[in-house]
Amino acid sequence: ETGVTQSPTHLIKTRGQQVTLRCSSQSGHNTVSWYQQALGQGPQFIFQYYREEENGRGNFPPRFSGLQFPNYSSELNVNALELDDSALYLCASSLAGGNTGELFFGEGSRLTVL
Amino acid sequence: AQSVTQPDIHITVSEGASLELRCNYSYGATPYLFWYVQSPGQGLQLLLKYFSGDTLVQGIKGFEAEFKRSQSSFNLRKPSVHWSDAAEYFCAVGPNAGNNRKLIWGLGTSLAVNP
Repeated sequence: ETGVTQSPTHLIKTRGQQVTLRCSSQSGHNTVSWYQQALGQGPQFIFQYYREEENGRGNFPPRFSGLQFPNYSSELNVNALELDDSALYLCASSLAGGNTGELFFGEGSRLTVL
Repeated sequence: AQSVTQPDIHITVSEGASLELRCNYSYGATPYLFWYVQSPGQGLQLLLKYFSGDTLVQGIKGFEAEFKRSQSSFNLRKPSVHWSDAAEYFCAVGPNAGNNRKLIWGLGTSLAVNP
């Protein structure tokens, strides 16, 4: 069973740039959620994708966008980066309808915005 | 307002000592409760969850938690801590088992273990 993998693990960008983060979901999982975890904070829900469509969104501006592909992998795109976007971005996969509530997390992509 | 409070930002215990991490929540409906652990350089891993039934739930790595509705608490316990338990621990609550996108997370408790 392959777990959730994320890339890149670390990256540095400057203000105003754009970034794309990638996530491969755990085998058999059809739902992907993205979280932002700032230093010293708990995860903050960005959005969730199911069947290639956004299935719920947290309190994040439109410059945070995403995609889910037919193989259930996903991308998180952030445009016009701001200093406050510096954080660990976590991807979590789950099985819709599985009714366990469990999220399976990747190790995250740490983004630093200078 | 819905919220999760983990009152202890940082806890240090000696290896072999018992551990209790506190979690208090404010939630309008019957909550579904979770504890996740985040080890350095790793993603979050589910330790245990409570949906219904027996209020004392067992999890992985020897952890257990007790749901106390009257106190709005879901404290995590372990009778004997191992050095490998040093990590960040997060409590989360949600409206139902399948709606994981609406989880509300605490700020976490950082656990250090002295040899």
